[in-house]
Amino acid sequence: DADVTQTPRNRITKTGKRIMLECSQTKGHDRMYWYRQDPGLGLRLIYYSFDVKDINKGEISDGYSVSRQAQAKFSLSLESAIPNQTALYFCATSDSGQGDYNEQFFGPGTRLTVL
Amino acid sequence: AQSVAQPEDQVNVAEGNPLTVKCTYSVSGNPYLFWYVQYPNRGLQFLLKYITGDNLVKGSYGFEAEFNKSQTSFHLKKPSALVSDSALYFCAVTLGTSGTYKYIFGTGTRLKVLA
Repeated sequence: DADVTQTPRNRITKTGKRIMLECSQTKGHDRMYWYRQDPGLGLRLIYYSFDVKDINKGEISDGYSVSRQAQAKFSLSLESAIPNQTALYFCATSDSGQGDYNEQFFGPGTRLTVL
Repeated sequence: AQSVAQPEDQVNVAEGNPLTVKCTYSVSGNPYLFWYVQYPNRGLQFLLKYITGDNLVKGSYGFEAEFNKSQTSFHLKKPSALVSDSALYFCAVTLGTSGTYKYIFGTGTRLKVLA
């Protein structure tokens, strides 16, 4: 969805390096999310933010941190990357208007490889 | 524990035949159920959702899903499959409760429509 963009689209890095994945959206949504996708495991929630001052841990937040710089921007950082963080990472947004049962809009994903 | 199950890793169907992709859930409380589709090298796209009301929900691209509370299922269906429907399909559930946020994805089912 062009309304949600992620940079970079692909990244190869080495163990121990700090990595930042960025997400921007033009949908005007308050809620933003970071997921990782692994084969056979589906999508798992890393962090979510319901507004600029609200940051919450998801299912698998260990080894990750986030920053909500503005309503439109939500960044995911790997402070010291390790090989088992190799995955496809997705950013998503949703409207807060109907609470927790709004559909989510996903970015195109970032494929991260940690060697 | 709350969970979503997609019992089939892959479903094969001939073009023109009806298709079903299965999803069952285990949650306490009233679930809100979603289907998403992922095409190669793309993020997930919303197809349809069940919040309340009519158990048969119609969505994008001719897809529909039936909510069955007694069987705790939310199977995705289409009367006549197209080759272009070939993709990875994810079922998801959220409880829609305030406080702790839960948005759980299934592991995905790969649909292959054969010409």
